Amino acid sequence: DTGVSQDPRHKITKRGQNVTFRCDPISEHNRLYWYRQTLGQGPEFLTYFQNEAQLEKSRLLSDRFSAERPKGSFSTLEIQRTEQGDSAMYLCASSSSLANHNEQFFGPGTRLTVL
Amino acid sequence: KNQVEQSPQSLIILEGKNCTLQCNYTVSPFSNLRWYKQDTGRGPVSLTIMTFSENTKSNGRYTATLDADTKQSSLHITASQLSDSASYICVVRTGGYNKLIFGAGTRLAVHP
Repeated sequence: DTGVSQDPRHKITKRGQNVTFRCDPISEHNRLYWYRQTLGQGPEFLTYFQNEAQLEKSRLLSDRFSAERPKGSFSTLEIQRTEQGDSAMYLCASSSSLANHNEQFFGPGTRLTVL
Repeated sequence: KNQVEQSPQSLIILEGKNCTLQCNYTVSPFSNLRWYKQDTGRGPVSLTIMTFSENTKSNGRYTATLDADTKQSSLHITASQLSDSASYICVVRTGGYNKLIFGAGTRLAVHP
């Protein structure tokens, strides 16, 4: 499978716990994005990497959230001290700056439930 | 404020019927407009991408239109199938690094 993969697909945690999600982009893609999607809404931008550099972070990304892409390949999104309001689908997407329209390809998402 | 609004919020149609979904946007600068299909519990999948100069683009039974003057787009689905049941999201690209502004989507249910 050469698409974007995310792990885990589902995560249930108790309030206050830390969680970490992983995203493996399409191998030749240099850009990687994280989004959050709540029920009945479109995805909301969280952060963007070009190679290993995190170039933009949304104001939605509070200080409890941190994202990394240490080698410019896979990325992790960590949420510390989870709150019930963090329950959502977390989507990862990747794109190539060289491709036509710089189209973003999305992974299947990680659904987080905070109890 | 950059916004993408979609209507209707939800739609139920019978298998074999056609339908049209609407998208209005106030996004500047405009780069391109995309329609995505999102099955429940899955990531969005691109259906069409249109630039400022394109008025119509088709992908099988899906036909998207774009009126850049009125800032409106539509997605027409012909001869609907049960597998078309999904959310359809209108997305406008703005800015230099591929920043996407998403609509809330139209949830389509196709019934036999």
